[in-house]
Amino acid sequence: QLQLQESGPGLVRPSETLSLTCTVSGGSISTSSYYWGWIRQPPGKGLEWIGTIYYSGSTYYNPSLKSRLTISVDTSRNQFSLRLSSVTAADSAVYYCASEVGSCSGGSCYSKYYFDYWGQGTLVTVSS
Amino acid sequence: QSVLTQPPSVSGAPGQRVTISCTGSRSNIGAGYDIHWYQQLPGTAPKLLIYGNNNRPSGVPDRFSDSKSGTSASLAISGLQAEDEADYYCQSYDSSLSGYVFGTGTKVTVL
Repeated sequence: QLQLQESGPGLVRPSETLSLTCTVSGGSISTSSYYWGWIRQPPGKGLEWIGTIYYSGSTYYNPSLKSRLTISVDTSRNQFSLRLSSVTAADSAVYYCASEVGSCSGGSCYSKYYFDYWGQGTLVTVSS
Repeated sequence: QSVLTQPPSVSGAPGQRVTISCTGSRSNIGAGYDIHWYQQLPGTAPKLLIYGNNNRPSGVPDRFSDSKSGTSASLAISGLQAEDEADYYCQSYDSSLSGYVFGTGTKVTVL
């Protein structure tokens, strides 16, 4: 069973860059069976998909965040990371990483668009 | 920006059946993209409850079921139990937004 764990600073200054890492255990990040995603949840509010990465490095971003967002993968460390630049208070949220079920057919792989394993989440506050 | 609309809250007595609606549009549910459901207990990460066409991960009781029609979907909880008190979110893919979308969330209260 996969386990995911987020790590990174809990406090980020406005206009700076938020950086988080998700460490995957219980399986390899370099598998065609999974994509890897980030989701966030502002306090007391709903869930928002941030972006997704495949082990090959292919990325899929929420268009509303795309200009500030970079998601990368480090297969040697079984980790994937999130960088969100120019943050404001509106970026304060619990950030979750999650595994996203994938499937391959006829040489093409695709996500099935749902998240089956989640990290516990990490609260990031943007404040001076 | 939530493009899937859910009622803010639903409630029911133990043993009753409750349903949670998830209303979308022709670019998500109506386009044929699967709907998935998550349960979020207070202070915890969301948990996958139902995926695809009424599939439940191992350990999820068959009291939970879903259905889809047109541009809407519904989650039904039968035999409501105190442990079902949580927030529930639907999720799908939206072709207009080119991304994954979550519902607004519904708080289920067991009376």
